[in-house]
Amino acid sequence: AQKVTQAQTEISVVEKEDVTLDCVYETRDTTYYLFWYKQPPSGELVFLIRRNSFDEQNEISGRYSWNFQKSTSSFNFTITASQVVDSAVYFCALSEATGDSSYKLIFGSGTRLLVRP
Amino acid sequence: EAQVTQNPRYLITVTGKKLTVTCSQNMNHEYMSWYRQDPGLGLRQIYYSMNVEVTDKGDVPEGYKVSRKEKRNFPLILESPSPNQTSLYFCASSPAGEFPYFGPGTRLTVT
Repeated sequence: AQKVTQAQTEISVVEKEDVTLDCVYETRDTTYYLFWYKQPPSGELVFLIRRNSFDEQNEISGRYSWNFQKSTSSFNFTITASQVVDSAVYFCALSEATGDSSYKLIFGSGTRLLVRP
Repeated sequence: EAQVTQNPRYLITVTGKKLTVTCSQNMNHEYMSWYRQDPGLGLRQIYYSMNVEVTDKGDVPEGYKVSRKEKRNFPLILESPSPNQTSLYFCASSPAGEFPYFGPGTRLTVT
């Protein structure tokens, strides 16, 4: 069965610190996608990134970077020089192809990040 | 503007009082689904629909019903809500072969 584990329930850092959110996944599929979403206190889900299982290149977007390692089934997310506005719950998710050209997302339990001024 | 809308955004109700949460998308997507979010459990899929009049159970369908009479709408029905259905609900839609766009969420409290 597919599974996503975010072992860090809550992380607290001081502004400007770097922080890494861990994500470990399990799947038997050879083709899959991994996602990160941000959920700010307002509650909506904000899409951050989608990564194809065939593309192991790390990605950087401003202060955000993602490290995908198939060998360890991990897709970790690092925020550099954290800011108070980064405070949110972050979800890692894995896609499951349902067989009808549609996809269901399997979510981890989320990591709550608190950035203190 | 392409979007998924949900109504209401917040709802407090009592046990046993039937309610419907509406979901509508303006992107002509075939696939729609409902997820619920609970602390420590992330989001889990309740029901999904592959097209009009085609629906199927997700991982946690008990206590819920859905219908898909029109392509743009996918309401979530709780015939007899119970406190364990207190949750944050998300509707999502996607075209075939693509990934879900999520609505803004509906926070439901059942007392």
